[in-house]
Amino acid sequence: QKEVEQDPGPLSVPEGAIVSLNCTYSNSAFQYFMWYRQYSRKGPELLMYTYSSGNKEDGRFTAQVDKSSKYISLFIRDSQPSDSATYLCAMSAPNQFYFGTGTSLTVIP
Amino acid sequence: EAGVVQSPRYKIIEKKQPVAFWCNPISGHNTLYWYRQNLGQGPELLIRYENEEAVDDSQLPKDRFSAERLKGVDSTLKIQPAELGDSAVYLCASSQDRVRFFGPGTRLTVL
Repeated sequence: QKEVEQDPGPLSVPEGAIVSLNCTYSNSAFQYFMWYRQYSRKGPELLMYTYSSGNKEDGRFTAQVDKSSKYISLFIRDSQPSDSATYLCAMSAPNQFYFGTGTSLTVIP
Repeated sequence: EAGVVQSPRYKIIEKKQPVAFWCNPISGHNTLYWYRQNLGQGPELLIRYENEEAVDDSQLPKDRFSAERLKGVDSTLKIQPAELGDSAVYLCASSQDRVRFFGPGTRLTVL
């Protein structure tokens, strides 16, 4: 079993839709939970990170962590064509850091 | 604040040739990482430095890959000789705590 599981998609939505991206994990030691956005031919760009459980909002983006279910989500409201990218979740604990495989998102104008 | 800088951005070489990648981390970040990312996959760690010391190189193919970070700032990753399977994006990242910031990567194509 992989440390972090992420549905690779691809996910295609119309402009303005609410997008939900998710990851599950098995290691209860993870403390930091991150979401990266990666455009084609670019490095991963840190979008948001959360320490432990709870929600964090930044503009159109909301990150949720549910440690009891070992499940994290990234919600994108009012999705835009410029949001089209691959979204990678990542998680860390002392001396551990794991990426998901990424979900490819296309927002259609 | 400047981000992680990498060069070159693209490199095309023939198999059996050597190649080197350079990384300048975010100022003040003591921890530096080299990752390799294949198409459609998440990044995979090759090596982690704490200042000048390589503290985790367990995933670095040491028969052909080498890395150095002599003064605890810039780092170089080398492949010699390159093989077809080395074609990938090589990412450098740096961190001050548990959150990692990535550079734009070097896209390597081995022909």
